[in-house]
Order: sequence, then C-alpha cells, then structure tokens
Amino acid sequence: DAGVIQSPRHEVTEMGQEVTLRCKPISGHNSLFWYRQTMMRGLELLIYFNNNVPIDDSGMPEDRFSAKMPNASFSTLKIQPSEPRDSAVYFCASRLAGGAYNEQFFGPGTRLTVL
Amino acid sequence: AQSVTQLDSHVSVSEGTPVLLRCNYSSSYSPSLFWYVQHPNKGLQLLLKYTSAATLVKGINGFEAEFKKSETSFHLTKPSAHMSDAAEYFCVVSSRRSQGNLIFGKGTKLSVKP
Repeated sequence: DAGVIQSPRHEVTEMGQEVTLRCKPISGHNSLFWYRQTMMRGLELLIYFNNNVPIDDSGMPEDRFSAKMPNASFSTLKIQPSEPRDSAVYFCASRLAGGAYNEQFFGPGTRLTVL
Repeated sequence: AQSVTQLDSHVSVSEGTPVLLRCNYSSSYSPSLFWYVQHPNKGLQLLLKYTSAATLVKGINGFEAEFKKSETSFHLTKPSAHMSDAAEYFCVVSSRRSQGNLIFGKGTKLSVKP
C-alpha cells in the first residue's frame, strides 16, 4: 500500500492567493483527518470526515478555510485568501473503522509558506 | 476532558544509553494511548499503542511503553539509543468518548550524541 498521499509536498504562495491541498487516504479507510502543525501551537486537528461526511470542523480557524471530501479516495483543504500566518505543515491522516483503538496513518505533509 | 502532558520538551542522551520520554495523561474514560515519532521533514509514524490489553506494550525499533493507571502515565523507553532515534516523539490519547480523535502532547525532541 502506498500509504496516505498528499500533494503538493511544498507550496510557496503570496498572501491573498488561493491554496488547495490534496489528500488521498489509504484504500478502505473510512475516516480522514486534516491537521496543522506549527512551532507555536503544535499539532492541531482542523476537521475530520467519516464516510465522506464532515463530522467536526470546530478546529478550522476561519471561514477562509474549507475542506471537502467528494468521494472515499480524495479530499481537499482550501485556503482562500491565504495569509502569512497560515504558513505551517498540513497533514492528512486516515483511519480504518473501529474508532478509538485504531491508529491514524499520516501522510508526509504539505509544507505551506505564504509570503 | 482529555489531555496529554509530555514532561520534557527536549531530551538528550548518548548513543548506547537508555532513553526515557515521559508522558502523563488525563482521561475520564478508558483511554487508548499511542506514541508517534516524527523524523525531520517527515510525517508521523506509529511507534506503539495501548488499547486496554497488556500494560507493557512493545513497539517498533526496540521501543516500549508501560501503561500505569495509578500514575496516569505512559512513559516511552528504549534500553539503548541509536543515532537514528533522533526525532520528535508525540504521546497521544484517544477514547471512544472523543470518537477516537487524537489528542496530541506538545512533543519531546530527542537528541542522540555520538
């Protein structure tokens, strides 16, 4: 299995531009998570999906952030417009059904720099 | 509410000496506990997990952790550090109450000196 796939691995953009991050979960996993990692705040859960449905988006910082999961094998996290404080590493993770006892598998992350 | 406290933000050991990374948790429900490792510029990889079976859990790369309910601790240990162990380590708690969502500690950066 290729694991969780994220693209792009690195993104540099200018303030005000739209940014789209992509994630392909492990086949057969039915939960998908988006995290943000910064030096100041550590790892934060932004949003998660069960069976393609958003369950909890309370971690999404602002309306500038949105996430979709149109099917079981693809999800996007969009920032529009982007700001320098959005610079971080964004991780996608997926999990097999079973709840608390199944670990999440993380992708390699997308390092976003907003100038 | 659930929380995780990693007691040391940075631990430095010499190669070949034991490693101890400390973690205390708070959970009102039967928790699952995990240790993840993150090497520089990499994603997170699961080292080991506790899910209410044996209290001593063995993981990959010679790491193990012991769940101590009375102390609400889940410390990570390794008898002999290797240079390749240098990374950041995250203690994580989860429970059915939180729908399995992971609560991460702040991380402990492990340095290994030759």
